[in-house]
Amino acid sequence: KQEVTQIPAALSVPEGENLVLNCSFTDSAIYNLQWFRQDPGKGLTSLLLIQSSQREQTSGRLNASLDKSSGRSTLYIAASQPGDSATYLCAVWDSNYQLIWGAGTKLIIKP
Amino acid sequence: EAGVAQSPRYKIIEKRQSVAFWCNPISGHATLYWYQQILGQGPKLLIQFQNNGVVDDSQLPKDRFSAERLKGVDSTLKIQPAKLEDSAVYLCASSLLFGSGYNEQFFGPGTRLTVL
Repeated sequence: KQEVTQIPAALSVPEGENLVLNCSFTDSAIYNLQWFRQDPGKGLTSLLLIQSSQREQTSGRLNASLDKSSGRSTLYIAASQPGDSATYLCAVWDSNYQLIWGAGTKLIIKP
Repeated sequence: EAGVAQSPRYKIIEKRQSVAFWCNPISGHATLYWYQQILGQGPKLLIQFQNNGVVDDSQLPKDRFSAERLKGVDSTLKIQPAKLEDSAVYLCASSLLFGSGYNEQFFGPGTRLTVL
């Protein structure tokens, strides 16, 4: 059974720092991996989707990498801003095209 | 393009009462999902519809939860009777197709349920 783990559960850093969020999964037979952002009362917003054949995806200050063989993905945020404060969730697509979710990392960027 | 709509946004009920949530997916999206997200956890899939048929309801507590998607568009999720452990955010999502290579899900804002 696929399990997705995100470490740390919470992270607080000063504005301007670069940071890395981690996601690991137990079964490397994934279809895709996706990073989401969740703001209170606003549902989930997709940030980046990495297909299984890809190694990374970039969008603005965000870069996500995928290493299927080791069961790991990282989300790199450059030059963090207070507006980046949110909970970041990682989800893998299994062979049934369903999302298996991690519990998320709550990120606080201090001004 | 309008997003996924959900109502109500918040609901507070007493245990053993009934509650219903409504979801309107993005126009043209064939697949609709209901998730339960307990505080501090990731979402858990409750039920998945393809048009008006159920694809997966293996994690739906069928003794108290029910869901329908009439005419393959709007959907309702009902809890009867509610328990304290049902306190959670209920998320609705939709996607264009099921089983395709790129099947991104779009999420509504969720309904926060508190059971007292």
